[in-house]
Amino acid sequence: GESVGLHLPTLSVQEGDNSIINCAYSNSASDYFIWYKQESGKGPQFIIDIRSNMDKRQGQRVTVLLNKTVKHLSLQIAATQPGDSAVYFCAENVPSEKLVFGKGTKLTVNP
Amino acid sequence: DAGVIQSPRHEVTEMGQEVTLRCKPISGHDYLFWYRQTMMRGLELLIYFNNNVPIDDSGMPEDRFSAKMPNASFSTLKIQPSEPRDSAVYFCASSLGLAGAKNIQYFGAGTRLSVL
Repeated sequence: GESVGLHLPTLSVQEGDNSIINCAYSNSASDYFIWYKQESGKGPQFIIDIRSNMDKRQGQRVTVLLNKTVKHLSLQIAATQPGDSAVYFCAENVPSEKLVFGKGTKLTVNP
Repeated sequence: DAGVIQSPRHEVTEMGQEVTLRCKPISGHDYLFWYRQTMMRGLELLIYFNNNVPIDDSGMPEDRFSAKMPNASFSTLKIQPSEPRDSAVYFCASSLGLAGAKNIQYFGAGTRLSVL
């Protein structure tokens, strides 16, 4: 029979454009959030984190925005490069509990 | 630190054989996690340890799977007997703790398991 795989949300952008990857988290008690990047053939790698007492945090070419009202997290990548092509996971943390990972979004950067 | 080290990187075995995956966490990390990743189910947490003690093994698929952590620098995930549906990439990760930035998990490169 036909196999049904996990349908990852996908985002395709042109090199040089800005990318926005969204994540809806589930637990209103979560107070800490992390974005991971997973390149093909590698393990997930930490990119940036944000605490719930913040709305925005910036890193190098990346910005994370947190909207607690609607339990939404986004990762913005400026001037997207081919090396940014990967699957991006958000993860949420309730104090003293393990991280809970989202399903992931696949980003493809077209040259 | 070299990061989380997993071995082997690739494992091909036949159905019914025993498979042992190995992990060396980052020194000083108190938590160790085993994950399985497939196209069908994504990233699944199998089990995690705190100070070498298993805390939550609710993600372990069935009795064929077992995990141990005999000391702070070594853990194994064993599948016996292996089945084709166990084919996946298995990741080990470690973290300092479960609070805030201590909860950042650092992942190994994974073991790609193929059961024929």
